[in-house]
Amino acid sequence: KAGVTQTPRYLIKTRGQQVTLSCSPISGHRSVSWYQQTPGQGLQFLFEYFSETQRNKGNFPGRFSGRQFSNSRSEMNVSTLELGDSALYLCASSLGVKETQYFGPGTRLLVL
Amino acid sequence: DAKTTQPNSMESNEEEPVHLPCNHSTISGTDYIHWYRQLPSQGPEYVIHGLTSNVNNRMASLAIAEDRKSSTLILHRATLRDAAVYYCILRDRTGANNLFFGTGTRLTVIP
Repeated sequence: KAGVTQTPRYLIKTRGQQVTLSCSPISGHRSVSWYQQTPGQGLQFLFEYFSETQRNKGNFPGRFSGRQFSNSRSEMNVSTLELGDSALYLCASSLGVKETQYFGPGTRLLVL
Repeated sequence: DAKTTQPNSMESNEEEPVHLPCNHSTISGTDYIHWYRQLPSQGPEYVIHGLTSNVNNRMASLAIAEDRKSSTLILHRATLRDAAVYYCILRDRTGANNLFFGTGTRLTVIP
C-alpha cells in the first residue's frame, strides 16, 4: 500500500505570495493532520481534518488554512507569506481519529 | 498533554543494543506512550506504542515501568540506518488527536 504522498516536495516563494500544499493520505485513511517543523520551534500541530471537517486547530494565525476533499485528500494554504513561514510542512494520515498517524516526506518551503 | 523528558543525544556502537529512556512523571491513566523517529530529510516514522504492558514489534521493543512514569525504547541491534531523532510522545486517547513532539533524542550510531 502506498504511503502518504505530498506535493510539491520543494517550493520557493517570495514574501507576500501565497502557497498551496497537497497531501494524499494512505488509501482508506480518513483523517489528515498537518504539522510545521522549524529548527527553532520543532514540530508543531497546524490542524486536523476528518470527513471534510476540521476537527482541531493549532495555535497558528488565520493565514494558515486547510481543507479536505471527499476522497480524503487534503490541501493547506498559507497566504501573505512571511520569512518565518520557511519550514518543512508535514502531513500525516490515520484510519480514523485516535488511530496511529503515518507521516509523509514533507514539503520544504523556502520564503525569500 | 502531559510532558515527556528525553536526553538530547545518545551514541551507540553499530550492532549493539540501544536503550532510549523517556520520563513522563505526569502521565495520566488514559495516556498511551508513542515513539516516533525522524531520519534525516524525512518525515517522522511510527515506531511503537503501548499503554501498560511491554510491547514488541519488528522495529523495536517498548519497556514500560510498572508505575508508568517512565519507559524505554529498545533497539536490539543498532544499525547505521537507525541514526535518527527519536521522539517519545504521550497521547491521550480521550483528548485531541494531534501529537505533541518535544525535542527528542538524537541517536548517533558509530560504525
